[in-house]
Amino acid sequence: QSALTQPASVSGSPGQSITISCTGTSSDVGGYNYVSWYQQHPGKAPKLVIYNVSNRPSGISNRFSGSKSGNTASLTISGLQAEDEAHYYCCSYTSSRTVRFGGGTKLTVI
Amino acid sequence: EVQLVESGGGLVQPGGSLRLSCTASGFTSSTYSLHWVRQAPGKGLEWVSYITGSSSAEYYADSVKGRFTISRDNAKNSLYLQMNSLRDEDTAVYYCARDAGMVMFDQWGRGTLVTVSS
Repeated sequence: QSALTQPASVSGSPGQSITISCTGTSSDVGGYNYVSWYQQHPGKAPKLVIYNVSNRPSGISNRFSGSKSGNTASLTISGLQAEDEAHYYCCSYTSSRTVRFGGGTKLTVI
Repeated sequence: EVQLVESGGGLVQPGGSLRLSCTASGFTSSTYSLHWVRQAPGKGLEWVSYITGSSSAEYYADSVKGRFTISRDNAKNSLYLQMNSLRDEDTAVYYCARDAGMVMFDQWGRGTLVTVSS
């Protein structure tokens, strides 16, 4: 049960857009539309920002969007703001009825 | 207000046991699957286990299968994780999380720290 593959880090300037990828297999990301994304600030619990590939929970800015193509899901944050600097984790349901998280991506707003 | 509060963490020797609890409030916990997710110091999130609302099914990560047991008491709005044969690599903050759909963890506790060390 290795982690889904995410880039270790991404960066962007305020106002720019960034995309974080999350690669799995046909037994998880590619097989189900059950991919979610979480934002985690240091010392805090994770916060849901995207569920079911592309849905935003109530209260989450429309600057956050999600998509999927084949075995790779993506999180895009547009109009970057300083408060977006955090770690981001993807998560997928699997064919074994278990759950896999990605290794996490540190977003730096420079 | 929806809330999840974990407790029971602490320092335990390798090979020892610990029981974590998570108390839910502000919602009817029996209608949701509940999960345990852990995070080793400076590391990423790792899913540990989940149990369905009616306790009809439970699932585990390979890394804890046979050593950890998840359970719940809906009358007490509580979730538990019995951890046996603890190893150094089990050291982590353990979070409980509510699943509002399929891997839609919309509520998280603040976590409880488990340290396995001699």
